[in-house]
Amino acid sequence: NAGVTQTPKFRVLKTGQSMTLLCAQDMNHEYMYWYRQDPGMGLRLIHYSVGEGTTAKGEVPDGYNVSRLKKQNFLLGLESAAPSQTSVYFCASSYAGLGGVQETQYFGPGTRLLVL
Amino acid sequence: RKEVEQDPGPFNVPEGATVAFNCTYSNSASQSFFWYRQDCRKEPKLLMSVYSSGNEDGRFTAQLNRASQYISLLIRDSKLSDSATYLCVVNKASGTYKYIFGTGTRLKVLA
Repeated sequence: NAGVTQTPKFRVLKTGQSMTLLCAQDMNHEYMYWYRQDPGMGLRLIHYSVGEGTTAKGEVPDGYNVSRLKKQNFLLGLESAAPSQTSVYFCASSYAGLGGVQETQYFGPGTRLLVL
Repeated sequence: RKEVEQDPGPFNVPEGATVAFNCTYSNSASQSFFWYRQDCRKEPKLLMSVYSSGNEDGRFTAQLNRASQYISLLIRDSKLSDSATYLCVVNKASGTYKYIFGTGTRLKVLA
Protein backbone atom coordinates (compact mmCIF):
# COMPACT_ATOMS: atom_id res chain seq x y z
CA ASN A 1 0.00 0.00 0.00
CA ALA A 2 1.96 2.99 -1.29
CA GLY A 3 -0.60 5.67 -0.30
CA VAL A 4 -0.20 8.78 -2.44
CA THR A 5 2.72 8.98 -4.85
CA GLN A 6 3.86 11.85 -7.03
CA THR A 7 6.13 12.02 -10.05
CA PRO A 8 8.50 13.63 -10.68
CA LYS A 9 10.07 14.59 -7.36
CA PHE A 10 11.97 17.53 -8.79
CA ARG A 11 11.98 19.35 -12.11
CA VAL A 12 13.57 22.43 -13.65
CA LEU A 13 11.72 24.11 -16.49
CA LYS A 14 12.40 27.08 -18.70
CA THR A 15 9.75 29.76 -19.05
CA GLY A 16 7.20 28.69 -21.64
CA GLN A 17 7.83 24.97 -21.36
CA SER A 18 5.04 22.58 -20.48
CA MET A 19 4.91 19.63 -18.14
CA THR A 20 2.53 17.27 -16.38
CA LEU A 21 2.70 16.25 -12.75
CA LEU A 22 1.26 12.86 -11.93
CA CYS A 23 -0.46 11.91 -8.69
CA ALA A 24 -1.56 8.36 -7.94
CA GLN A 25 -3.35 6.92 -4.92
CA ASP A 26 -4.13 3.32 -4.07
CA MET A 27 -6.61 3.94 -1.24
CA ASN A 28 -9.71 4.07 -3.47
CA HIS A 29 -10.36 7.65 -2.37
CA GLU A 30 -13.02 9.61 -4.21
CA TYR A 31 -11.51 13.05 -3.66
CA MET A 32 -8.21 14.28 -4.90
CA TYR A 33 -6.53 17.70 -4.65
CA TRP A 34 -3.60 19.65 -5.97
CA TYR A 35 -1.97 22.29 -3.74
CA ARG A 36 0.99 24.54 -4.04
CA GLN A 37 3.06 25.63 -1.07
CA ASP A 38 5.08 28.83 -1.08
CA PRO A 39 7.03 30.42 1.77
CA GLY A 40 4.77 32.46 4.05
CA MET A 41 1.64 31.51 2.07
CA GLY A 42 0.62 28.14 3.38
CA LEU A 43 -0.88 25.51 1.11
CA ARG A 44 -3.24 26.86 -1.52
CA LEU A 45 -5.71 24.74 -3.45
CA ILE A 46 -5.18 24.78 -7.23
CA HIS A 47 -7.78 22.28 -8.45
CA TYR A 48 -9.65 19.38 -6.96
CA SER A 49 -11.77 16.43 -8.03
CA VAL A 50 -14.70 14.79 -6.30
CA GLY A 51 -14.71 11.74 -8.54
CA GLU A 52 -13.53 10.17 -11.75
CA GLY A 53 -14.17 12.43 -14.71
CA THR A 54 -14.91 15.54 -12.60
CA THR A 55 -12.68 18.47 -11.74
CA ALA A 56 -13.19 21.90 -10.20
CA LYS A 57 -11.19 25.07 -9.62
CA GLY A 58 -9.66 25.91 -6.31
CA GLU A 59 -8.24 29.20 -5.07
CA VAL A 60 -5.39 29.61 -7.55
CA PRO A 61 -6.29 27.74 -10.77
CA ASP A 62 -4.89 30.15 -13.37
CA GLY A 63 -2.11 28.68 -15.48
CA TYR A 64 -2.96 25.09 -14.55
CA ASN A 65 -5.19 22.37 -15.96
CA VAL A 66 -6.13 19.01 -14.49
CA SER A 67 -7.63 15.73 -15.54
CA ARG A 68 -9.04 12.74 -13.65
CA LEU A 69 -9.59 10.05 -16.25
CA LYS A 70 -9.06 7.25 -13.73
CA LYS A 71 -10.13 7.26 -10.12
CA GLN A 72 -6.63 6.59 -8.86
CA ASN A 73 -4.85 9.27 -10.92
CA PHE A 74 -5.00 13.06 -10.89
CA LEU A 75 -2.84 14.94 -13.36
CA LEU A 76 -1.76 18.58 -13.08
CA GLY A 77 -0.62 20.29 -16.25
CA LEU A 78 1.31 23.48 -16.83
CA GLU A 79 0.85 24.52 -20.44
CA SER A 80 3.32 27.41 -20.43
CA ALA A 81 5.37 27.59 -17.28
CA ALA A 82 6.13 30.94 -15.66
CA PRO A 83 8.64 31.81 -12.90
CA SER A 84 5.66 32.55 -10.61
CA GLN A 85 4.84 28.83 -10.75
CA THR A 86 8.07 27.96 -8.97
CA SER A 87 6.78 26.16 -5.92
CA VAL A 88 6.36 22.86 -4.14
CA TYR A 89 3.31 21.00 -5.39
CA PHE A 90 1.47 18.56 -3.16
CA CYS A 91 -1.22 16.14 -4.18
CA ALA A 92 -3.67 14.83 -1.61
CA SER A 93 -6.60 12.45 -1.49
CA SER A 94 -9.42 11.74 0.92
CA TYR A 95 -12.64 9.82 1.22
CA ALA A 96 -15.96 11.34 2.13
CA GLY A 97 -17.28 11.00 5.61
CA LEU A 98 -20.90 10.87 6.69
CA GLY A 99 -23.04 13.83 5.68
CA GLY A 100 -20.47 14.99 3.16
CA VAL A 101 -18.05 16.06 5.89
CA GLN A 102 -14.54 15.67 4.65
CA GLU A 103 -12.20 13.29 6.31
CA THR A 104 -8.42 13.28 6.61
CA GLN A 105 -6.39 14.27 3.61
CA TYR A 106 -3.38 12.10 2.80
CA PHE A 107 -0.56 13.87 1.05
CA GLY A 108 2.02 12.76 -1.46
CA PRO A 109 5.71 13.58 -0.92
CA GLY A 110 5.60 16.65 -3.15
CA THR A 111 7.14 17.83 -6.41
CA ARG A 112 9.63 20.67 -6.32
CA LEU A 113 9.38 22.76 -9.46
CA LEU A 114 11.77 25.50 -10.47
CA VAL A 115 10.89 27.66 -13.46
CA LEU A 116 13.75 29.72 -14.84
CA ARG B 1 -8.02 39.36 7.65
CA LYS B 2 -6.69 35.95 6.65
CA GLU B 3 -9.20 33.09 6.71
CA VAL B 4 -6.94 31.08 8.99
CA GLU B 5 -4.25 32.75 11.07
CA GLN B 6 -1.42 31.28 13.07
CA ASP B 7 1.54 32.74 14.90
CA PRO B 8 4.50 31.70 12.74
CA GLY B 9 6.85 31.36 15.73
CA PRO B 10 9.36 29.90 16.13
CA PHE B 11 8.50 28.64 19.56
CA ASN B 12 11.78 27.50 21.13
CA VAL B 13 11.10 25.32 24.17
CA PRO B 14 13.24 22.97 26.28
CA GLU B 15 12.59 19.25 26.33
CA GLY B 16 9.83 18.37 28.75
CA ALA B 17 8.10 21.74 28.48
CA THR B 18 4.45 22.29 27.73
CA VAL B 19 3.67 24.47 24.74
CA ALA B 20 0.41 25.69 23.25
CA PHE B 21 -0.50 27.08 19.85
CA ASN B 22 -3.64 28.89 18.82
CA CYS B 23 -5.22 29.27 15.43
CA THR B 24 -8.06 31.66 14.57
CA TYR B 25 -10.48 31.24 11.69
CA SER B 26 -12.82 33.76 10.12
CA ASN B 27 -15.66 31.66 8.69
CA SER B 28 -18.21 30.91 11.39
CA ALA B 29 -19.76 28.23 9.15
CA SER B 30 -16.61 26.08 9.24
CA GLN B 31 -17.29 22.58 10.51
CA SER B 32 -14.12 20.52 10.28
CA PHE B 33 -10.86 21.32 11.98
CA PHE B 34 -7.52 19.58 11.97
CA TRP B 35 -3.95 19.93 13.12
CA TYR B 36 -1.33 18.67 10.67
CA ARG B 37 2.38 18.33 11.26
CA GLN B 38 4.92 19.14 8.58
CA ASP B 39 8.60 18.33 8.85
CA CYS B 40 11.10 20.32 6.83
CA ARG B 41 10.72 19.65 3.10
CA LYS B 42 8.21 16.87 3.74
CA GLU B 43 4.50 16.49 3.16
CA PRO B 44 1.92 17.46 5.82
CA LYS B 45 0.66 14.58 7.92
CA LEU B 46 -2.43 14.51 10.08
CA LEU B 47 -1.67 14.98 13.75
CA MET B 48 -5.25 15.03 14.98
CA SER B 49 -8.75 16.12 14.18
CA VAL B 50 -10.36 18.64 16.50
CA TYR B 51 -13.75 17.82 17.92
CA SER B 52 -16.28 20.17 19.51
CA SER B 53 -15.81 18.69 22.97
CA GLY B 54 -12.02 18.72 22.73
CA ASN B 55 -9.90 15.63 22.34
CA GLU B 56 -6.65 14.17 23.51
CA ASP B 57 -4.14 11.84 21.92
CA GLY B 58 -1.31 10.97 24.25
CA ARG B 59 0.66 14.14 24.92
CA PHE B 60 -1.43 16.19 22.51
CA THR B 61 -4.69 17.95 23.34
CA ALA B 62 -6.83 19.86 20.87
CA GLN B 63 -9.61 22.29 21.75
CA LEU B 64 -12.22 24.14 19.72
CA ASN B 65 -13.80 27.43 20.78
CA ARG B 66 -16.60 28.21 18.33
CA ALA B 67 -17.68 31.41 20.11
CA SER B 68 -14.25 32.97 19.69
CA GLN B 69 -13.48 31.05 16.48
CA TYR B 70 -10.20 29.50 17.39
CA ILE B 71 -8.67 26.11 17.86
CA SER B 72 -5.72 25.25 20.03
CA LEU B 73 -3.09 22.55 20.32
CA LEU B 74 -1.36 21.73 23.58
CA ILE B 75 1.76 19.59 23.64
CA ARG B 76 2.87 18.26 27.01
CA ASP B 77 6.30 16.86 27.88
CA SER B 78 7.83 18.06 24.60
CA LYS B 79 10.27 15.74 22.83
CA LEU B 80 13.04 16.64 20.43
CA SER B 81 11.06 14.75 17.78
CA ASP B 82 8.16 17.19 18.17
CA SER B 83 10.23 19.83 16.37
CA ALA B 84 8.24 20.61 13.23
CA THR B 85 5.78 23.06 11.77
CA TYR B 86 2.18 22.65 12.92
CA LEU B 87 -0.50 23.54 10.42
CA CYS B 88 -4.02 24.51 11.36
CA VAL B 89 -6.57 23.37 8.78
CA VAL B 90 -10.19 24.49 8.57
CA ASN B 91 -12.80 23.51 6.02
CA LYS B 92 -14.11 26.51 4.10
CA ALA B 93 -17.74 25.84 4.85
CA SER B 94 -19.94 22.99 5.80
CA GLY B 95 -20.24 20.35 3.10
CA THR B 96 -17.58 21.78 0.82
CA TYR B 97 -14.43 20.09 -0.35
CA LYS B 98 -12.16 23.00 0.25
CA TYR B 99 -9.83 23.26 3.17
CA ILE B 100 -7.91 26.36 4.18
CA PHE B 101 -4.45 25.86 5.57
CA GLY B 102 -2.75 28.20 7.99
CA THR B 103 0.83 29.16 7.28
CA GLY B 104 1.96 27.09 10.25
CA THR B 105 3.62 27.55 13.60
CA ARG B 106 7.20 26.40 13.86
CA LEU B 107 8.24 24.55 17.01
CA LYS B 108 11.82 23.84 18.02
CA VAL B 109 12.36 21.64 21.04
CA LEU B 110 15.82 22.15 22.50
CA ALA B 111 17.90 19.59 24.36
